[in-house]
Amino acid sequence: AAGVIQSPRHLIKEKRETATLKCYPIPRHDTVYWYQQGPGQDPQFLISFYEKMQSDKGSIPDRFSAQQFSDYHSELNMSSLELGDSALYFCASSPWDRGDGEAFFGQGTRLTVV
Amino acid sequence: AQKVTQAQTEISVVEKEDVTLDCVYETRDTTYYLFWYKQPPSGELVFLIRRNSFDEQNEISGRYSWNFQKSTSSFNFTITASQVVDSAVYFCALSEAERDNAGNMLTFGGGTRLMVKP
Repeated sequence: AAGVIQSPRHLIKEKRETATLKCYPIPRHDTVYWYQQGPGQDPQFLISFYEKMQSDKGSIPDRFSAQQFSDYHSELNMSSLELGDSALYFCASSPWDRGDGEAFFGQGTRLTVV
Repeated sequence: AQKVTQAQTEISVVEKEDVTLDCVYETRDTTYYLFWYKQPPSGELVFLIRRNSFDEQNEISGRYSWNFQKSTSSFNFTITASQVVDSAVYFCALSEAERDNAGNMLTFGGGTRLMVKP
């Protein structure tokens, strides 16, 4: 069965650079969530989208922005990268009408800022 | 606001021992969902179980079992006859009922690192 695809799987950037992470949800899933997991931390909700509109916002820094496109894939754009942005970034998708919070997670993108 | 607490940051057991991972949650909603995820060293989040707040029936799946008690706001996870492959970080998570124009993001506990030694 198709799963959530995230690319790239690994990314190394220097401080102050920008990074773009991509997420391709499971077909027919219209809701996408982004989470950030720092080293030794639990995943923290960043932002979610439903039908290309932002549906909720968590602890996402102003340097980050995200959007969902007409094909439902989503991109997380990160600018002025800091060392503290080094983390595992997960994307998850679900059908909006599922309603129970279960989302299907991608494998994650490991971002290292040096 | 919702909160999930996993008081055990790290547990070490010897293979074949039983182990219980604790999870306590806080929420103002009467309808909510609880989850357990496994995160092996490779990093992916593996879904284990979902339970809604109206279903307090305990569940068993092979060596895994879950004990949901609303009275104590707990959703504990037991692994019977642990194996080395069970070594991972385990997260408990909570999602509140669907809100208008909002998704159902998960609030995770801090995780419990389980080490099963041969």
